[in-house]
Amino acid sequence: AQSVTQPDIHITVSEGASLELRCNYSYGATPYLFWYVQSPGQGLQLLLKYFSGDTLVQGIKGFEAEFKRSQSSFNLRKPSVHWSDAAEYFCAVGGYGQNFVFGPGTRLSVLP
Amino acid sequence: EADIYQTPRYLVIGTGKKITLECSQTMGHDKMYWYQQDPGMELHLIHYSYGVNSTEKGDLSSESTVSRIRTEHFPLTLESARPSHTSQYLCASSSPTRVYEQCFGPGTRLTVT
Repeated sequence: AQSVTQPDIHITVSEGASLELRCNYSYGATPYLFWYVQSPGQGLQLLLKYFSGDTLVQGIKGFEAEFKRSQSSFNLRKPSVHWSDAAEYFCAVGGYGQNFVFGPGTRLSVLP
Repeated sequence: EADIYQTPRYLVIGTGKKITLECSQTMGHDKMYWYQQDPGMELHLIHYSYGVNSTEKGDLSSESTVSRIRTEHFPLTLESARPSHTSQYLCASSSPTRVYEQCFGPGTRLTVT
C-alpha cells in the first residue's frame, strides 16, 4: 500500500534562510510525487511534480525537489525563504491509475 | 489559475440537519474528488468520480454521498449531520490529459454543533 511520511510536523526558519522539508514514501512501483502548499483557509496549490526523468525538479515560487529512489525520498528545498512562504506543505504519492496518498503535512513558520 | 469553486466556505449547523456542499469547476475536467481534512492532518480521499454518472468511494469511509449529473458539478451531501462530521472538505478535479495534477478548491469548513 502507498504511504507518505513527513517527519517534521512544524519547522521554523528565519527569513532569508534555506529550507528543506522532508518526505519519504512507500510505493511498490514507479511513483509519481508531488508537493502542494496550503495557506490558511485556502485549498492546495501544486508546487511541483515528478513523473520521470531528471531527478531534480523545479517548481513555482523558487522551490525545487530531488527524487532519490534509493532513499525513497522526495525532499523539498528553497535557498532563501520569504515570509510569504509560511504555510502548510503536503507531499503526495500516486501512480498510474492510482489515487493520491497525502502525507500529514509540515507547517512552516518564518521568523522576520 | 484553477477555476474550481466551493460553497459555502464556512458552515455551522446543528446535529441532524441535512447539508449539501457544492463544488463546481469550469475547466471541463472529467475526474473530480472530495477529500476530508481534519485540522493539522493529512487529506483523506472520501469520494471520486471519473465523469458523469460515475461515483466511487475513497480510502476513508464516509457517511456522505455524492452525485455527478453534470461534468462541472460534484456536490456532497450529508443526510443527517453529526459532530463527528466536523472537518474541512476539499474538492479537486483533474483533466484526462493531466490526470496527475489535481486542482483544488478553497474548501468548506464544516462545524456541526
